[in-house]
Amino acid sequence: AQSVTQPDIHITVSEGASLELRCNYSYGATPYLFWYVQSPGQGLQLLLKYFSGDTLVQGIKGFEAEFKRSQSSFNLRKPSVHWSDAAEYFCAVGVSGGTSYGKLTFGQGTILTVHP
Amino acid sequence: NAGVMQNPRHLVRRRGQEARLRCSPMKGHSHVYWYRQLPEEGLKFMVYLQKENIIDESGMPKERFSAEFPKEGPSILRIQQVVRGDSAAYFCASSPLAGAGDTQYFGPGTRLTVL
Repeated sequence: AQSVTQPDIHITVSEGASLELRCNYSYGATPYLFWYVQSPGQGLQLLLKYFSGDTLVQGIKGFEAEFKRSQSSFNLRKPSVHWSDAAEYFCAVGVSGGTSYGKLTFGQGTILTVHP
Repeated sequence: NAGVMQNPRHLVRRRGQEARLRCSPMKGHSHVYWYRQLPEEGLKFMVYLQKENIIDESGMPKERFSAEFPKEGPSILRIQQVVRGDSAAYFCASSPLAGAGDTQYFGPGTRLTVL
């Protein structure tokens, strides 16, 4: 069965610093990978997704992620963090085949705190 | 194009009551997914529906929980005889397609509190 691990429960960075959020997945086939962001009390917003092609994916709000098959990773990065990036970030893998029809398996989430 | 709508946003129930959560997908989307987020946890898949059909309910508890997506109207997640452990945020997502790489658009969620 597929799984997603986000090793860091909570990360704190200073505004303007670079950011990397880790995500490791376990899936038997070519994965479909997503990063979502959740602000407090809100729903999830898609930042970016990967399913084929270039392993470096650009997303919204200046985020990017790199798919590394050899490491089963899909880490999210941003060169310079803004205070408004403080939120919880979820990595997810999309499941295909059978009746799974695209249901998402999420990691536990990483809470990002940004210091001024 | 309005996003995915969920209501109510907050719902308080006493143990033993019924909770009814509604989800209106984005216009043109015929695929609906329900996820549950327990405190301190990520989202867990519950059920996937198309219009008038339950396609995959493998993540939904066998008892007390049911879901529907009628031909007309919103999708409904129904929890009968709620218990404290049902307290969670319930998110609905919709998609125009149902492939593994297709984007799901999430609603703001319903936060259920069971007293």
